[in-house]
Amino acid sequence: ETGVTQTPRHLVMGMTNKKSLKCEQHLGHNAMYWYKQSAKKPLELMFVYSLEERVENNSVPSRFSPECPNSSHLFLHLHTLQPEDSALYLCASSPGPFQETQYFGPGTRLLVL
Amino acid sequence: QKEVEQDPGPLSVPEGAIVSLNCTYSNSAFQYFMWYRQYSRKGPELLMYTYSSGNKEDGRFTAQVDKSSKYISLFIRDSQPSDSATYLCAMVTQGGSEKLVFGKGTKLTVNP
Repeated sequence: ETGVTQTPRHLVMGMTNKKSLKCEQHLGHNAMYWYKQSAKKPLELMFVYSLEERVENNSVPSRFSPECPNSSHLFLHLHTLQPEDSALYLCASSPGPFQETQYFGPGTRLLVL
Repeated sequence: QKEVEQDPGPLSVPEGAIVSLNCTYSNSAFQYFMWYRQYSRKGPELLMYTYSSGNKEDGRFTAQVDKSSKYISLFIRDSQPSDSATYLCAMVTQGGSEKLVFGKGTKLTVNP
């Protein structure tokens, strides 16, 4: 596979469940990002990792927990989510942090019941 | 005032029309300006990015930045039905405490 891949593409979970979103980039980039995209709202930057070190955490609730084991993989662990957390979660990567050339994955469509 | 303002539309034009998409911003620290295209059920795809004021052309697409007015535009010439998508502007500061902000996106439909 090329570019940025995300799994699963769709996820339905109850408020008491624990699940994880996975992102993998095959571009040799050093920075990876999680975004939340809700209807009628701008893309919200959640977390930024550079060389596996978190460099940005935009006041995201602790029920979202990122993990970056290496520069190619990024996870978003989810637990005790709320219905308002239902959204499209997008992963992106770029050669370095906050660079203008970001490449996005297809996203995971999350529905919290 | 929001940092980045973008009219969400929707915008509907006939095939062959010239399309103008715009964003305004309030933070003069933004240095790089990007346009992304997002098709339904897909992630955003980088179309163009610019650094300085002026125009940058790529095929039917022209990105324009006016830093003095804090205004950026994307023009699409000879628009095609395949251009139907949501277009997001984004901008990022550089040097120091970086900040990356996206607009809400403008939904464009090009009718055959």
